[in-house]
Amino acid sequence: DTGVSQDPRHKITKRGQNVTFRCDPISEHNRLYWYRQTLGQGPEFLTYFQNEAQLEKSRLLSDRFSAERPKGSFSTLEIQRTEQGDSAMYLCASSSRLAGDREQYFGPGTRLTVT
Amino acid sequence: RKEVEQDPGPFNVPEGATVAFNCTYSNSASQSFFWYRQDCRKEPKLLMSVYSSGNEDGRFTAQLNRASQYISLLIRDSKLSDSATYLCVVNMLNKAAGNKLTFGGGTRVLVKP
Repeated sequence: DTGVSQDPRHKITKRGQNVTFRCDPISEHNRLYWYRQTLGQGPEFLTYFQNEAQLEKSRLLSDRFSAERPKGSFSTLEIQRTEQGDSAMYLCASSSRLAGDREQYFGPGTRLTVT
Repeated sequence: RKEVEQDPGPFNVPEGATVAFNCTYSNSASQSFFWYRQDCRKEPKLLMSVYSSGNEDGRFTAQLNRASQYISLLIRDSKLSDSATYLCVVNMLNKAAGNKLTFGGGTRVLVKP
């Protein structure tokens, strides 16, 4: 399967714990994005990387959130001291600048439940 | 005011009928427009890009009205498999905005036999 993959698919954690999610983009895609989606809403942009550089962060990304893409390939999104309001689907997407970024391809998402 | 607004529906559509719905966007600097489809508990997938002149892909027709800042999607001869949430998406594609997609809340369509 050469699509975007995310791990884990589901995560249940207790409030106050730290969690980390991983995204593996399509191999030739140099741009990688993180979005968050809550029930009944569309995805909301969190941050994006071009290669290893984090070029934009949403104001939704509080100081408890950090994202990395150390080698310009896979990315991790960490949430520290989780809160119940962090419960959502976390979606990763990738695109290719060479293809003009006409389409972002989404992974299956990581569903986070904070109890 | 949300940057991209959609009627959440649901639109209950008899199989074989035509359904159309719009979305409006607030930022006139928006440059690219898309419709994504999202099935229940799945990731969004690109349905079609929306071009200024309007475009068609099989039973789906998309229109863009830049003056009024709205985008429309029309589905002809609806199939049961068209039941999904349709997400209106805009992209500003400039250095200041990066390359983020801005999504509407989605319009839910239910096609019934």
